[in-house]
Amino acid sequence: GQSLEQPSEVTAVEGAIVQINCTYQTSGFYGLSWYQQHDGGAPTFLSYNALDGLEETGRFSSFLSRSDSYGYLLLQELQMKDSASYFCAVRVDSNAGNMLTFGGGTRLMVKP
Amino acid sequence: DSGVTQTPKHLITATGQRVTLRCSPRSGDLSVYWYQQSLDQGLQFLIQYYNGEERAKGNILERFSAQQFPDLHSELNLSSLELGDSALYFCASSSAGTGGYGYTFGSGTRLTVV
Repeated sequence: GQSLEQPSEVTAVEGAIVQINCTYQTSGFYGLSWYQQHDGGAPTFLSYNALDGLEETGRFSSFLSRSDSYGYLLLQELQMKDSASYFCAVRVDSNAGNMLTFGGGTRLMVKP
Repeated sequence: DSGVTQTPKHLITATGQRVTLRCSPRSGDLSVYWYQQSLDQGLQFLIQYYNGEERAKGNILERFSAQQFPDLHSELNLSSLELGDSALYFCASSSAGTGGYGYTFGSGTRLTVV
């Protein structure tokens, strides 16, 4: 089976930088994705890493190390609207099919 | 609007009843995925369909079933409902069978079983 570990909660102040880590144990790993979900809302896609290294999209960056089964999401210049839950997810292909398996989510609280 | 349409948005029903949740994927997307999210929990994969055929199954209860129709919309049927089935049910779609690159989620159906 697959398992993903991420912190349950992170608190940071507006304007700061925060890093949300994700470690995973999977078979047939193809890539690591990140999703943002505001309370009561739908998850929205943020980023995807298939190869080692850093991917940058505006204030958000995502990193992957396949050898360490580890990735992180970096949020810079935090804004109040960044308060949300962030989920890492691994893409796994198997004989049974393919899908994303999500971690339990990290609730980010941004304080003024 | 993400382009993935889920109906109804809210559903309140009694234990033992049966409900059907509907999902229309984003135009052009062939894959549909169903996920369950209980209060303050992560997203649990239920089932995937690709172009009308079941592709993958997760921790879906035998009381639950799904199908994808020729027009690519999908329905998730939940029967003999229990209090523990109360959750947000999300549908997501992607353009490829693999779906790993990026899902587009619908706004979800909030099911409350009383």
